[in-house]
Amino acid sequence: DAGVIQSPRHEVTEMGQEVTLRCKPISGHDYLFWYRQTMMRGLELLIYFNNNVPIDDSGMPEDRFSAKMPNASFSTLKIQPSEPRDSAVYFCASSFRRASEYGYTFGSGTRLTVV
Amino acid sequence: QQPVQSPQAVILREGEDAVINCSSSKALYSVHWYRQKHGEAPVFLMILLKGGEQKGHEKISASFNEKKQQSSLYLTASQLSYSGTYFCGTGITGNQFYFGTGTSLTVIP
Repeated sequence: DAGVIQSPRHEVTEMGQEVTLRCKPISGHDYLFWYRQTMMRGLELLIYFNNNVPIDDSGMPEDRFSAKMPNASFSTLKIQPSEPRDSAVYFCASSFRRASEYGYTFGSGTRLTVV
Repeated sequence: QQPVQSPQAVILREGEDAVINCSSSKALYSVHWYRQKHGEAPVFLMILLKGGEQKGHEKISASFNEKKQQSSLYLTASQLSYSGTYFCGTGITGNQFYFGTGTSLTVIP
């Protein structure tokens, strides 16, 4: 398996623009997580899905953030409009069954810079 | 609810040992350990599910004290490749999981 695949690896955008991050989880994993990592706040859970259904989105900072998982092999995280404080590394991770009982496999991340 | 790790940073010479601690204010039923190298994604090292369980591979092992709501990661005879940031992750219920504050470990020749 190729692992969790994220795209793009780097994104530089201007404030106010829409940004879409993409993730392909490992086949057979039924949990998918979106995390944001910054120096100040560490790894923050934004949202997670189980069998393509959003379970907990309490970590999504504002209405400007939205996430979808239309099928088992694809998820997107969208920021509209983007702001400089959204600059961070965004990781997608997937897991088999209950995430707390198995390890997470992380994608390589998307480094987002909003100028 | 974020677990606290200590120390925040440690510098070792090759061959030295280190211990990284992870403490939670909530009752735990699982602990994960991950290592993240600079510019890369976190990589899963191991999981501990039972109180008192110890696990390990090669020279990296961990223990889990369920009563004290703590876990410790032990790195023995450190190698340059051990450098990175170590995170614990704690499961406090089936659907709640939090990553720790991270410990930066640098191994020098």
